[in-house]
Amino acid sequence: DVVMTQSPLSQPVTLGQPASISCRSSQGLVSSDGSTYLSWLQQRPGQSPRRLIYEVSNRDFGVPDRFSGSGSGTDFTLKISRVEAEDIGVYYCMQTARWPNTFGQGTRLEIK
Amino acid sequence: VELVESGGGLVQPGGSLRLSCVASGFTFSTSWMNWVRQGPGEGLVWVSGISPDGSRIGYADSVEGRFTISRDNAKRTLSLQMNSLRVEDTGLYYCTRGSIFGGRGTLVTVSS
Repeated sequence: DVVMTQSPLSQPVTLGQPASISCRSSQGLVSSDGSTYLSWLQQRPGQSPRRLIYEVSNRDFGVPDRFSGSGSGTDFTLKISRVEAEDIGVYYCMQTARWPNTFGQGTRLEIK
Repeated sequence: VELVESGGGLVQPGGSLRLSCVASGFTFSTSWMNWVRQGPGEGLVWVSGISPDGSRIGYADSVEGRFTISRDNAKRTLSLQMNSLRVEDTGLYYCTRGSIFGGRGTLVTVSS
């Protein structure tokens, strides 16, 4: 199975300041079609997960441009340029390149 | 993407449940679909997945031989038959289109 390792697992942030979350996969995530199937999900308290980023760096419709994804190979990063109060929650990376699909442990973004 | 999960409930260990997910807002018949579980206070775990035509099916090791995934493209419905349920199967079950979560999930509680 592809193991997804996130860091940090908890990130205290100051509103208006940037934040960054790292995700490392135990294997490359390039599929046979040439795409890299790494997504980032946000789960606000009491809500279902919501996808923010797909295929490493593509923002989903309606996702603010303060969110950005980058990376290649086995190292990926989610960045928030200026954290807002509505960004508080848990963030997961997820790979759908191969079965079983796997998730990172989650990173809790909280106000400092 | 809208996904409406149903069928959860309270069941004793060894019992059975059948989960359903009705999809709308996208072309169901060409989409890879999954079931994902989130235990109480825990992260996300992939449970099972199925290809668009149903010819490819995968299960997490923990549910192999006990759960059966299926789909009806004409009815835009994804199902999960859960047999021989265990306490550790407890959680909120989400139906997903790849890495997209479009529903609120359905709660499965296995307890005596």
